[in-house]
This record gives sequence, structure tokens and C-alpha cells, in this order.
Amino acid sequence: EVQLLESGGGLVQPGGSLRLSCAASGFTFSSYAMSWVRQAPGKGLEWVSGVSGSGHTTYYADSVKGRFTISRDNSKNTLHLQMDSLRLEDTAVYYCAKGSSRSPVTGSDSWGQGTLVTVSS
Amino acid sequence: DIQMTQSPSSLSASVGDRVTITCQASQDISNHLNWYQHKPGKAPKLLIYDASNLETGVPSRFSGSGSGTDFTFTIISLQPEDIATYYCQQYDNLPLTFGGGTKVEIK
Repeated sequence: EVQLLESGGGLVQPGGSLRLSCAASGFTFSSYAMSWVRQAPGKGLEWVSGVSGSGHTTYYADSVKGRFTISRDNSKNTLHLQMDSLRLEDTAVYYCAKGSSRSPVTGSDSWGQGTLVTVSS
Repeated sequence: DIQMTQSPSSLSASVGDRVTITCQASQDISNHLNWYQHKPGKAPKLLIYDASNLETGVPSRFSGSGSGTDFTFTIISLQPEDIATYYCQQYDNLPLTFGGGTKVEIK
């Protein structure tokens, strides 16, 4: 059974940083792309970033490009999202999602329960 | 970016009713479309992939159809446990984009 467990969320001031992690199990982690998707309060789902199975290729939404960095450690079956220069509008539940293939240009077939990031002064 | 226009944004139906949600892409995305169910506080769940394929373990009352720019998601007999928000998502091109969601309630 695929399991994805996010951690690292919390309260941070504008301009601050947070690092989210996602521990994966139940599948061959390096064989699949991974993504981060967020949901702001009262809003819909927004894709944030994706990384290929190897970790060599990364993609970002324009709203986070230059501020967020996605990475993965295939030896530890863990996905990360380093979030810098956080803004009020980054407040959201962040979900880790497993891709259906190695390519980041793919849908997600399993999701974690999410971790809440609150940016507030 | 590919825009996904989903409608309606909400609907109220009775148990046993047929429910239909549509999703229109701003350009041809072939069949590169997923449908998800999302309940509050839970992980989103994949229901339909490649526009019309039922994910393993998903009840057969859920179905999807369409290709190109126009897609339809149907619940043929609404059940109380289907109360959720449903999203379409295209994965033809980056950035991956979602429809705005359809909140389904019981009348």
C-alpha cells in the first residue's frame, strides 16, 4: 500500500522559510515522479512543483519559481520542498503526491493527508 | 498555461440521482485528464485516469468520458458517501492545472 506522510508545516512570518518533507513507502520511490500540490483556505487545488523520478528534472509554478526548491532523496524515499521568502498567499495545506510515471508531466495517483503552512505576522 | 473550466461549481442532488460534471480545456489535451474526489481533511483520491479509466477499487457508479477539450464526469447513482468536492486535472503539459472544483451536496 502506498503511504505518503508529510511533515514540516507550521506558522512562519512573511519572508521566512520552511522545509517540508514527505516520507514515502509502499512503492519503488525512484521510479515515479513526485509533486507538491497546495490548497489555500477556501480555494481549489494548485500544483506547486514537480520532480522526475531521478531528481534531475524539476518544474515549478510561476507563483513559486525562484522561492521554492523541490528535491528528493531516493536513498531515503523522501521528498522535500524548501520554501523561502514566504508570502501571505503561500498559506495553504501542502500535499505530497505520487506521479503515475517517471515524468513530472503526469497525473497523481496517490496523495498524502497534507501539512498546513500558515504565513502570518 | 492550459486553463481548465469546470462546471458547475456546486450542486445539490438526491440520493440515487445521476450527477454530471463537465470540464473544458483551453486547448487540446488528448485524454490526459484525471478526476479526483476530495473530502475535507482527507487526501484527494484519484477516481478516473486518462479521461475514462476507472482507478482500481473505485466503485463502478463513477465514470468519465471525453477527449480533446471537452470532458464529462458522472456519478450514475449518488450515494451519501459521495459528498465531496470533485476536481479535474490536465497532465498534457506543465504547469499541471486543475479545474475550480465542484462541491457535491445531498439535497
